[in-house]
Amino acid sequence: NAGVTQTPKFRVLKTGQSMTLLCAQDMNHEYMYWYRQDPGMGLRLIHYSVGEGTTAKGEVPDGYNVSRLKKQNFLLGLESAAPSQTSVYFCASSYSGKLTGLRIDTQYFGPGTRLTVL
Amino acid sequence: GDSVTQMEGPVTLSEEAFLTINCTYTATGYPSLFWYVQYPGEGLQLLLKATKADDKGSNKGFEATYRKETTSFHLEKGSVQVSDSAVYFCALSDTGNQFYFGTGTSLTVIP
Repeated sequence: NAGVTQTPKFRVLKTGQSMTLLCAQDMNHEYMYWYRQDPGMGLRLIHYSVGEGTTAKGEVPDGYNVSRLKKQNFLLGLESAAPSQTSVYFCASSYSGKLTGLRIDTQYFGPGTRLTVL
Repeated sequence: GDSVTQMEGPVTLSEEAFLTINCTYTATGYPSLFWYVQYPGEGLQLLLKATKADDKGSNKGFEATYRKETTSFHLEKGSVQVSDSAVYFCALSDTGNQFYFGTGTSLTVIP
């Protein structure tokens, strides 16, 4: 099993450019998440999905869009990149909370994408 | 709302020293509690977890006990090694669709 994979690992963009980050999981997890990690800020949730075709906003959704067309994939898009979006982006997945008494069990993380916006 | 507060770092210890990283939580229900570890340049990995009060999670010499009365889940290790140098995150999941993470505590172990 590959677990959670992220593409690309590194990317440099110029202000105003667009890009899509891809997250894939092979564990048949219902839930998927996108976080950003900035120094001193911990992990902040951008968007998440509780199933194919569904998405929801997290703590810091502005400037990002997401799509979950297939259960195993969760895409994060930046339509017009800004320097404030320079960060390390992590994808995670987990089983549905319904399987564990409504509490989500372990989240499994990808290796991250380091994005720099100039 | 739900939240996690953990000890600020950075923490620097000598090899074989005792480690404690404090974590307290606020939750409306009965959460599951987790410690994750992040090694340099990598994603987060589950270190240990506990799903109900008085449970003790343990892994690789690390331990944490779910204390409902003090709403705490402190991470401990009796003798740290250089290879334990990493960032440690406390987290909780409650009856919702999200995890709540602390801000992370950086640990450096020197030989």
